[in-house]
Amino acid sequence: DAGVTQSPTHLIKTRGQQVTLRCSPKSGHDTVSWYQQALGQGPQFIFQYYEEEERQRGNFPDRFSGHQFPNYSSELNVNALLLGDSALYLCASSFSSSFNEQFFGPGTRLTVL
Amino acid sequence: SQELEQSPQSLIVQEGKNLTINCTSSKTLYGLYWYKQKYGEGLIFLMMLQKGGEEKSHEKITAKLDEKKQQSSLHITASQPSHAGIYLCGADGPYAGNNRKLIWGLGTSLAVNP
Repeated sequence: DAGVTQSPTHLIKTRGQQVTLRCSPKSGHDTVSWYQQALGQGPQFIFQYYEEEERQRGNFPDRFSGHQFPNYSSELNVNALLLGDSALYLCASSFSSSFNEQFFGPGTRLTVL
Repeated sequence: SQELEQSPQSLIVQEGKNLTINCTSSKTLYGLYWYKQKYGEGLIFLMMLQKGGEEKSHEKITAKLDEKKQQSSLHITASQPSHAGIYLCGADGPYAGNNRKLIWGLGTSLAVNP
């Protein structure tokens, strides 16, 4: 079992550009959550996807959007990048119907210049 | 204001020493999670606590949940350099259908000097 995988590992973009990050959940998991973690901060919840729909959303602008595919993998899209979007983006997967712990991927380090 | 407060923010200990990290919630705790993160890496699940008074151990790491105090403590016995990293506590908010999200503390950075 590969666990949660994310791609790419690192990414450098310039202000105003758009970026897509990808996540494959742990085998058997159907729920994917995305987090933004700025340097020295705890992860901030962006949104959660289940059955290909956004189920819950944190305090992030509409520039942040996502998608979940039938195979449960997910994408995070960020438009009109700002310098403040530079962070580690973490994807976590879990079962939808239990309080089991979330399994995290290694993250994608996004740098906006 | 931060819903989960962790203390201390950072900690430097000598190898072999014991240490404790605390996580205090401003709201009722329904589930408390401890994770460890090494710089630039994803989070590694350590343990989950759900009931008041519950205590769990993983190798030399023990965590307890005090429901009345709305607090959890993480204790490391005989620390080793491999314990170094950032320790994060996360908690479930009130249960509402299937909607769940974790709220997080800011983390405690631990360095262990050999």
